[in-house]
Amino acid sequence: NAGVTQTPKFRVLKTGQSMTLLCAQDMNHEYMYWYRQDPGMGLRLIHYSVGEGTTAKGEVPDGYNVSRLKKQNFLLGLESAAPSQTSVYFCASSSQGGTGELFFGEGSRLTVL
Amino acid sequence: RKEVEQDPGPFNVPEGATVAFNCTYSNSASQSFFWYRQDCRKEPKLLMSVYSSGNEDGRFTAQLNRASQYISLLIRDSKLSDSATYLCVGSFGGGSNYKLTFGKGTLLTVNP
Repeated sequence: NAGVTQTPKFRVLKTGQSMTLLCAQDMNHEYMYWYRQDPGMGLRLIHYSVGEGTTAKGEVPDGYNVSRLKKQNFLLGLESAAPSQTSVYFCASSSQGGTGELFFGEGSRLTVL
Repeated sequence: RKEVEQDPGPFNVPEGATVAFNCTYSNSASQSFFWYRQDCRKEPKLLMSVYSSGNEDGRFTAQLNRASQYISLLIRDSKLSDSATYLCVGSFGGGSNYKLTFGKGTLLTVNP
């Protein structure tokens, strides 16, 4: 059972480079989320989507863009990476917005030099 | 002020001990609460939901106190495998804009 799959799992970027993280879920969930996790900061919501074709800003959206062209995929883009974006990124999905269980991917560890 | 605040920990307890974590929330309109568990360098996974009446799942008991705006997690008879970070989570918002807000987590280490 795949669940939520994130690619890539590891990536090293230079400042100013761009990249896209892909999240795919096979549970037919409406809701998808991108979080970042930093030491001492906990999980912080970057962007989220309540359905195909929709996106919304979370707590820390600056420097990131997202797209949800297909229900099963949620892409997170960094247009011009900065060292402050070094973090572990988690994608999650759920069938319900605020009352349902979140299913997480295994995380993507990004380092920006 | 963050919407969800947790005991910072870390907690170091011997096997068999009982340990309790507390979490406070600032938004009285929050609807639902959860405890998630995160093992080192892994993704968070749902441990249990928290209901107003309190709920128990084996050695784990979760309680919600809406008047004082806190939730708690009690672990009885701790096992080595309980070592992990425990995340308190609250849902905020309404309609299609519910969002889950995570506390920073409390690290538990159970020692032999």
